[in-house]
Amino acid sequence: AQTVTQSQPEMSVQEAETVTLSCTYDTSESDYYLFWYKQPPSRQMILVIRQEAYKQQNATENRFSVNFQKAAKSFSLKISDSQLGDAAMYFCAYRSASGSARQLTFGSGTQLTVLP
Amino acid sequence: GAGVSQSPSNKVTEKGKDVELRCDPISGHTALYWYRQSLGQGLEFLIYFQGNSAPDKSGLPSDRFSAERTGGSVSTLTIQRTQQEDSAVYLCASSLNGRQGWETQYFGPGTRLLVL
Repeated sequence: AQTVTQSQPEMSVQEAETVTLSCTYDTSESDYYLFWYKQPPSRQMILVIRQEAYKQQNATENRFSVNFQKAAKSFSLKISDSQLGDAAMYFCAYRSASGSARQLTFGSGTQLTVLP
Repeated sequence: GAGVSQSPSNKVTEKGKDVELRCDPISGHTALYWYRQSLGQGLEFLIYFQGNSAPDKSGLPSDRFSAERTGGSVSTLTIQRTQQEDSAVYLCASSLNGRQGWETQYFGPGTRLLVL
């Protein structure tokens, strides 16, 4: 079974600064997908960015980018030019690329505070 | 509607009562997922639907939990004889067809269940 670990329960960043959220995972599969979801106080999970394991290039979406280290099984999220609206709980998630497992496996989350 | 909707938004019930939680997926999405988010924990997978059938029920914690989906659309999660440990936020998500690992799962705002 796959596991996802987020070792930082809470992080804070000054507005306009950069912050990196950590995520590690454990799997015996070679092909899979990784995701970062954001959950604001409204509770609605929103996809921030995703990474295909077979792609070496790190995914980027505007101010959000990842550092994907497949050998180390590490998938960190970097938020540049942090904004007050970035404050939320961030979840790292894993999904198999094959087989019958269709669900996402989530980490325990990192609560990000953005300081004005 | 434009997104995944869930009802009720909040539910308070007494221990031993049955509750029904409803999920309306995005129109045209054949894959539907239920997750549970307990206080201080990440999201835990409950059940996955492909159309009206549930090929993966592996996450249901006990036989008090059941779910159905009718017409390939609305899904209902039923918890019988509720216990205090059932208190959590129940999140529903849908995706286009569930077959592609990269598919985005779109989440609803969740139902917060409190069992007294």
